[in-house]
Amino acid sequence: EIVMTQSPVTLSVSPGERATLSCRASQSVSSDLAWYQQKPGQAPRLLIYGASTRATGVPARFSGSGSGTEFTLTISSLQSEDFAVYYCQQYNNWPPLTFGGGTKVEIK
Amino acid sequence: EVQLLESGGGLVQPGGSLRLSCAASGFTFRTYAMTWVRQAAGKGLEWVSSISGSGISTYYRDFVKGRFTISRDNSKNILYLQMNSLRAEDTAVYYCARLGRRPTEGWLDPWGQGTLVTVSS
Repeated sequence: EIVMTQSPVTLSVSPGERATLSCRASQSVSSDLAWYQQKPGQAPRLLIYGASTRATGVPARFSGSGSGTEFTLTISSLQSEDFAVYYCQQYNNWPPLTFGGGTKVEIK
Repeated sequence: EVQLLESGGGLVQPGGSLRLSCAASGFTFRTYAMTWVRQAAGKGLEWVSSISGSGISTYYRDFVKGRFTISRDNSKNILYLQMNSLRAEDTAVYYCARLGRRPTEGWLDPWGQGTLVTVSS
């Protein structure tokens, strides 16, 4: 099973600032990596797939990068609606599909 | 608009059974694999089970093998999760989500709103 590790667990950022979230895989997942956003009381929403392709309707301030075992989600200028929990997920070698533990982006 | 709507959650005693349903609309259901993911309160996301578009191939997380059964009715556009021998640790919100048309398209989009399963005496 591929273990996904996200860091930091919590990220405190001021509105308008840049946020950088990390995700590490226990073995190479090539570019088979997705990012999701989840707000309180809501279902997760796909942001990025293929490590760097934005899903339909996702604002350009969200960008994904990386390959192999190291990945990054960058939010270029945080808006109020971006404060949420973000999860990465690998689909290179499944089952099982595996998720990281999440990074909570909170208001500083 | 692509939509997924879960139902069937509720309170059940340990050892009991529950069947979750996920009604799909807005896309050609039979051409997409589908997945169940769960989330315990305050915890992260956990993959439970997936099924191919035809329903022939099914996949389970080890901790539900032999207890849960995923199935689908492509004539009704409904995904199911039959849960037997439920344990307290199965308590979670259960989400259904659409996978891609191909096995390499393992991202989940969209997700349903979730249905809460509580296992308690």
